[in-house]
Amino acid sequence: DAGVIQSPRHEVTEMGQEVTLRCKPISGHNSLFWYRQTMMRGLELLIYFNNNVPIDDSGMPEDRFSAKMPNASFSTLKIQPSEPRDSAVYFCASSLERVDGYTFGSGTRLTVV
Amino acid sequence: KQEVTQIPAALSVPEGENLVLNCSFTDSAIYNLQWFRQDPGKGLTSLLLIQSSQREQTSGRLNASLDKSSGRSTLYIAASQPGDSATYLCAVNPGNTPLVFGKGTRLSVIA
Repeated sequence: DAGVIQSPRHEVTEMGQEVTLRCKPISGHNSLFWYRQTMMRGLELLIYFNNNVPIDDSGMPEDRFSAKMPNASFSTLKIQPSEPRDSAVYFCASSLERVDGYTFGSGTRLTVV
Repeated sequence: KQEVTQIPAALSVPEGENLVLNCSFTDSAIYNLQWFRQDPGKGLTSLLLIQSSQREQTSGRLNASLDKSSGRSTLYIAASQPGDSATYLCAVNPGNTPLVFGKGTRLSVIA
């Protein structure tokens, strides 16, 4: 298995632009999680899906952030409009069930200038 | 609300030493606990997963223990090597919510 695949690996964008991060979970995994990592706050959960349905999005910072999971093999995290404080590494993870071990992708390093 | 604390925040040891990384959590009602390794600029690699019914798990030179009642876990690394230098993250799975992470311990093993 190729593991959890995220794209792009790096993204540099100007403030105000729309940014879309992509994630392909491990085939057969039912739960998908989006985390954000910064030096100051560590790893924070943004949103998670179970069987493609968003379960808890209370970690999404504000309305500028949205996430979708149109099918079991693909999810997106969108930021519109982006701001410099959104600069961070965004990780996607998946698990067979929510109570199983998680597998993380390599992350997307986002820089908003 | 579950909180996870890792002590120390950073650790530097000479090569060959055995070392222990500590993790504590505030709510003992957990499904499992997972230890991860993160190299600079990289993603998280799962090292060990301990289910709530287990006391320890071993993989090579790594041994993780879990004392759920006291809210503690330790990661023991035997005969440390420079290649072990990384940040080690502890995460607990409460079951009804996703993984909650500690801030990590940054380990440097000096040759």
